[in-house]
Amino acid sequence: DVKVTQSSRYLVKRTGEKVFLECVQDMDHENMFWYRQDPGLGLRLIYFSYDVKMKEKGDIPEGYSVSREKKERFSLILESASTNQTSMYLCASSYTGGDGEQYFGPGTRLTVT
Amino acid sequence: ILNVEQSPQSLHVQEGDSTNFTCSFPSSNFYALHWYRWETAKSPEALFVMTLNGDEKKKGRISATLNTKEGYSYLYIKGSQPEDSATYLCAFDGGSQGNLIFGKGTKLSVKP
Repeated sequence: DVKVTQSSRYLVKRTGEKVFLECVQDMDHENMFWYRQDPGLGLRLIYFSYDVKMKEKGDIPEGYSVSREKKERFSLILESASTNQTSMYLCASSYTGGDGEQYFGPGTRLTVT
Repeated sequence: ILNVEQSPQSLHVQEGDSTNFTCSFPSSNFYALHWYRWETAKSPEALFVMTLNGDEKKKGRISATLNTKEGYSYLYIKGSQPEDSATYLCAFDGGSQGNLIFGKGTKLSVKP
């Protein structure tokens, strides 16, 4: 059974804190993605990575950075959390050369107070 | 900016009703169109990945069609059940490193 896991389901942080969201996949997928989902806005791509140590900006990268030191792990970093980063964060992975289907984690609901 | 539109935004139906929703997407640089189902408190799960114009795919009571020339896809649910209640997302794949552009989704509620 394929699996994408995220480190926390719920997280509450204070403004200005550094926040790490971790994502791990066990499918040996090359591609990994971070999205945020906000009411009325749908899923928006923050960053993605198509290989270890590679990263590309998505549509809304401002205020975020990422790290991919190992193939199975993709971390999203909020350097200095702000209230407008309160959101649901979803990680996904996919296989290069497949049909592009993305496998999603359960999501992390982050609240920044 | 590539735009993927879904309609309606939300839908309330009775158990047993059949229903359908629309996804419109750019008709140029098409690689694939994905449909996902996202149930509350769960992860989005792929329903279909469609690549060819005229494609029609089916999974149980759910089916989807694809028209790449005019840039739209329909998702049909026959005889809706309460367990079909979810947000249905479509996503356009323009062939760019596996990136998907998601629509905002159609939220379906099926009342018993």
